[in-house]
Amino acid sequence: GESVGLHLPTLSVQEGDNSIINCAYSNSASDYFIWYKQESGKGPQFIIDIRSNMDKRQGQRVTVLLNKTVKHLSLQIAATQPGDSAVYFCAETRGGGNKLVFGAGTILRVKS
Amino acid sequence: GAVVSQHPSRVICKSGTSVKIECRSLDFQATTMFWYRQFPKKSLMLMATSNEGSKATYEQGVEKDKFLINHASLTLSTLTVTSAHPEDSSFYICSARPGTSGRAGSPDTQYFGPGTRLTVL
Repeated sequence: GESVGLHLPTLSVQEGDNSIINCAYSNSASDYFIWYKQESGKGPQFIIDIRSNMDKRQGQRVTVLLNKTVKHLSLQIAATQPGDSAVYFCAETRGGGNKLVFGAGTILRVKS
Repeated sequence: GAVVSQHPSRVICKSGTSVKIECRSLDFQATTMFWYRQFPKKSLMLMATSNEGSKATYEQGVEKDKFLINHASLTLSTLTVTSAHPEDSSFYICSARPGTSGRAGSPDTQYFGPGTRLTVL
């Protein structure tokens, strides 16, 4: 069936280092992707999105890369800070009102 | 922009009672709202999709008579857990989708509320 999954369930990084969180998706019809950050006891927070007509998009300290050839999505966080510690979810959908499909989530732990 | 609120943030109730959770889009109109359930250390599980003025669409395995959804306006959707039991204890999260481009961003983006922790004794 269709799925969105993550390669690494837990990622530990040193404060100040860059973090890379990966995501694989299987639905080649998906054309819109979102990364969310969820802190403990809170709802998911939108970080960045990308459409399938792009392969890279940058935000503040974050970059999302999309490789449609291998159906791979990644989130790069520059100069990781303790406040970045959270669970990160990728989500994919086909535009036009379809529902989001979420990945399993990656726990990011930042060591000071 | 794109702020979604939920109320209450936490509720404890006795088995057999009903609980209503409200989801509001504060600074945009949401043509569609979604209700999710999340278990500890797990991903979000979509329960139902709610369009303003029409009946909600429930995911397979979700009892529509137990989880009543009302989307009365473009800024408010409610989820009522009827005759709640301990197994209904969970973290319930709503999201709202703008439906049109504008200040709230892409029409396909979902913005999430802070969640409601339900504990049924």
